[in-house]
Amino acid sequence: RKEVEQDPGPFNVPEGATVAFNCTYSNSASQSFFWYRQDCRKEPKLLMSVYSSGNEDGRFTAQLNRASQYISLLIRDSKLSDSATYLCVATTSGSARQLTFGSGTQLTVLP
Amino acid sequence: DGGITQSPKYLFRKEGQNVTLSCEQNLNHDAMYWYRQDPGQGLRLIYYSQIVNDFQKGDIAEGYSVSREKKESFPLTVTSAQKNPTAFYLCASRLADNTGELFFGEGSRLTVL
Repeated sequence: RKEVEQDPGPFNVPEGATVAFNCTYSNSASQSFFWYRQDCRKEPKLLMSVYSSGNEDGRFTAQLNRASQYISLLIRDSKLSDSATYLCVATTSGSARQLTFGSGTQLTVLP
Repeated sequence: DGGITQSPKYLFRKEGQNVTLSCEQNLNHDAMYWYRQDPGQGLRLIYYSQIVNDFQKGDIAEGYSVSREKKESFPLTVTSAQKNPTAFYLCASRLADNTGELFFGEGSRLTVL
C-alpha cells in the first residue's frame, strides 16, 4: 500500500463546477499536510497548507480528518485556469526523510 | 528575490555519459532535496541533505551521486550506471525544522539519446 494515495483521475468538470479530491495517508505519525499544484511540465507550487481545523483560501477549502487519515481539497466555482495536477503531501515532524507525495490527481476544467 | 535555481532546464545526453544538474538556493534553507518525476507519476526521492557535508540516500539513489559542499548548492550527478535516466528532475529546499513547505526549482528535463 502506498503511504499517500490519491485518485489519479482524470477529473473533467465544466467551468463553474465544484470538485473535491481526497488523499489518504497511512502513517499515523504524519503531522503536516499540504496541497501542491503542478502545471504540465512545470514544478509543483504550494497551493495551501492543511490545518487541523480546516482552512479556506478563496475558492479553495482544505480539510484534515485525522481519525480516518485523509485530507481533502474542495474547489468551488472552478475556472479554466484551475486545470492542473494536484499533489498531496504528508510530512512527519522531525524527519527530513518523511515527506511523502501522492501521485497526483489530474483536473481538467472544460469551457 | 529569494528562490531556487536549477540548470540546465533541458539537457540531452548520450548513453554512457555522466551529467551534473545544478541546484542553487538563496533562501538560507538547511535542507535540500532531489526528486525524480516520470510522466504521470508522483515525485520519488533520490537524495536529501540536511546540513553541509552530509547527505542521505532516498528511495531511488542508485546511479546518482550528490555533494553538499556549500549550504546554497546541492548538485546532482546522473551517472552512466542509472539505467533509465530520462526524466524530469526537481530540486527543492525547506527550513531545517522539517515541518514547513518545500520550495521547488523549475526543474531540469534530461533526455538520454
